[in-house]
Amino acid sequence: AQRVTQPEKLLSVFKGAPVELKCNYSYSGSPELFWYVQYSRQRLQLLLRHISRESIKGFTADLNKGETSFHLKKPFAQEEDSAMYYCALSVLNGNKLVFGAGTILRVKS
Amino acid sequence: DVKVTQSSRYLVKRTGEKVFLECVQDMDHENMFWYRQDPGLGLRLIYFSYDVKMKEKGDIPEGYSVSREKKERFSLILESASTNQTSMYLCASGLAGGPRTDTQYFGPGTRLTVL
Repeated sequence: AQRVTQPEKLLSVFKGAPVELKCNYSYSGSPELFWYVQYSRQRLQLLLRHISRESIKGFTADLNKGETSFHLKKPFAQEEDSAMYYCALSVLNGNKLVFGAGTILRVKS
Repeated sequence: DVKVTQSSRYLVKRTGEKVFLECVQDMDHENMFWYRQDPGLGLRLIYFSYDVKMKEKGDIPEGYSVSREKKERFSLILESASTNQTSMYLCASGLAGGPRTDTQYFGPGTRLTVL
């Protein structure tokens, strides 16, 4: 079965604190994973993809096949990071994404 | 700059009405998608389309149908709206899959309320 699990509905941290948004997946094939973000009153957009191995807005995510995880991390949270974050798994040869339930990140000042 | 537009930002309909949600993309993408977004449930795929006149059921197709007569336009149809279809509906488009999955580009969403 193809599934993406984000165990936290809401994560609340103080500005400057480290952030880790958890994502676990279930997939029999070779996984390709993404993080999408939706800021308030904006459309959903791609944040990063594991293949690129890049840091976007200070966020990184490493694919751990042993733990079937793709956690999103940032060492120092900023208020503008407050948003809804979705983890997504690519299936059907890249023609379809399976999304997790999403995690709301709230960064408090 | 990819543009995905949806015909309405807000819609209010009555139970039993036929509802059309339209989505247009201007990047010549092969793939188009309709999702519904509900708190605690994330994005759930309703239908998607690989090409003109082609459609595939997603995870929750019941109560919905779609139409893709032109490459740039993908319509979601609620044949007889019900209150449990009150939701945010997101359209997305993307290039056909290959060795690497392309980004999906999302529209602004349509918040549908069925009374």
